[in-house]
Amino acid sequence: DTGVSQNPRHKITKRGQNVTFRCDPISEHNRLYWYRQTLGQGPEFLTYFQNEAQLEKSRLLSDRFSAERPKGSFSTLEIQRTEQGDSAMYLCASSFPDLNTEAFFGQGTRLTVV
Amino acid sequence: AQTVTQSQPEMSVQEAETVTLSCTYDTSESDYYLFWYKQPPSRQMILVIRQEAYKQQNATENRFSVNFQKAAKSFSLKISDSQLGDAAMYFCAYSRGSTLGRLYFGRGTQLTVWP
Repeated sequence: DTGVSQNPRHKITKRGQNVTFRCDPISEHNRLYWYRQTLGQGPEFLTYFQNEAQLEKSRLLSDRFSAERPKGSFSTLEIQRTEQGDSAMYLCASSFPDLNTEAFFGQGTRLTVV
Repeated sequence: AQTVTQSQPEMSVQEAETVTLSCTYDTSESDYYLFWYKQPPSRQMILVIRQEAYKQQNATENRFSVNFQKAAKSFSLKISDSQLGDAAMYFCAYSRGSTLGRLYFGRGTQLTVWP
């Protein structure tokens, strides 16, 4: 499978716990994006990387959120001290700007904070 | 700031008929792209069609076409010969020309297709 892969697909956690999600982009894509989608809304941008450099962060990405892409390949998104308001679908996408490609999305990780 | 507005939360269409989904956007940029993404119940976002702002010709992809009105900042999607598999949430999205994956989405239109 050469698409964008996200793991886990579902995560249930207790309020106050830390969670980490992983995204593996399409192999030749050097840009990677994270979005959050709550029920009934369109996805909202969180952050994006070009290779290992984090180029933009939304103000939605509070201090409890951190994203990394240490080797310019896969990325992780960590949420510390989760709150019920963090319950959402977290989407990852990748693109290859040199070929002017649009973003290709993964299937998302659904987070439920109880 | 870039904003994307979809004023139709829900639409429905009979199989084989045509339906049009509306989208307006706001930007002061000159180099940008517009997209329609489809999100079926499986939740994976799939690109339906894209339009470069500098192109006057409306984009088409098989049964899907757009009506791009740059001056009015309007970008509607027409689905012809609707099929049951077209049922999904449709999102209109905007990006600057330099970062196609950095998207601003509308709130979506839920399309139901009746047999």
